[in-house]
Amino acid sequence: TQLLEQSPQFLSIQEGENLTVYCNSSSVFSSLQWYRQEPGEGPVLLVTVVTGGEVKKLKRLTFQFGDARKDSSLHITAAQTGDTGLYLCAGERSNFGNEKLTFGTGTRLTIIP
Amino acid sequence: NAGVMQNPRHLVRRRGQEARLRCSPMKGHSHVYWYRQLPEEGLKFMVYLQKENIIDESGMPKERFSAEFPKEGPSILRIQQVVRGDSAAYFCASSPRREYNYGYTFGSGTRLTVV
Repeated sequence: TQLLEQSPQFLSIQEGENLTVYCNSSSVFSSLQWYRQEPGEGPVLLVTVVTGGEVKKLKRLTFQFGDARKDSSLHITAAQTGDTGLYLCAGERSNFGNEKLTFGTGTRLTIIP
Repeated sequence: NAGVMQNPRHLVRRRGQEARLRCSPMKGHSHVYWYRQLPEEGLKFMVYLQKENIIDESGMPKERFSAEFPKEGPSILRIQQVVRGDSAAYFCASSPRREYNYGYTFGSGTRLTVV
């Protein structure tokens, strides 16, 4: 059973456009993290959200945690070719921290120059 | 301050051989996690270790796989008698403490190919 579903699975858009990636679950998570993974490398942490309704901004990236802490979204404004990569959401279910992560299915983003 | 170091980056083994994957966590990090990523899939949790202790091995296959994190030296993920289905990228992550989770630092992974 896949606890975290990401959509879309693949996304290819022109440079300069905006996009949103979704991460959905029927389970509640104590925190949710977003990672970006380049080919041949490990995931790199972008952000951690822990409070329902929380919004965090990282330059052109905006992350939101759902009010019920079951879902999250990543919005990119004015996409650049450097944004190309695999975006992974990952949830943690424990309130104690340092527990295993459940990763989403991933969204492979391609930005076309 | 070096990040999480994994070696080797690439490992080729014949069916039936043993594979040993090493992970040195970031300095000051005492928690190590191993994840496996199959082609075109997300990461799947395997095992969580602290120094000399296995905390959670619920994602480890029951046979042929073992992990350790000794008092001195790197964490080792050991796969005995490898089969083609073991071919995957294996990632190690580390974190500093058992409190609120600020996120993990991942290594670059070991890509295991079983031929």
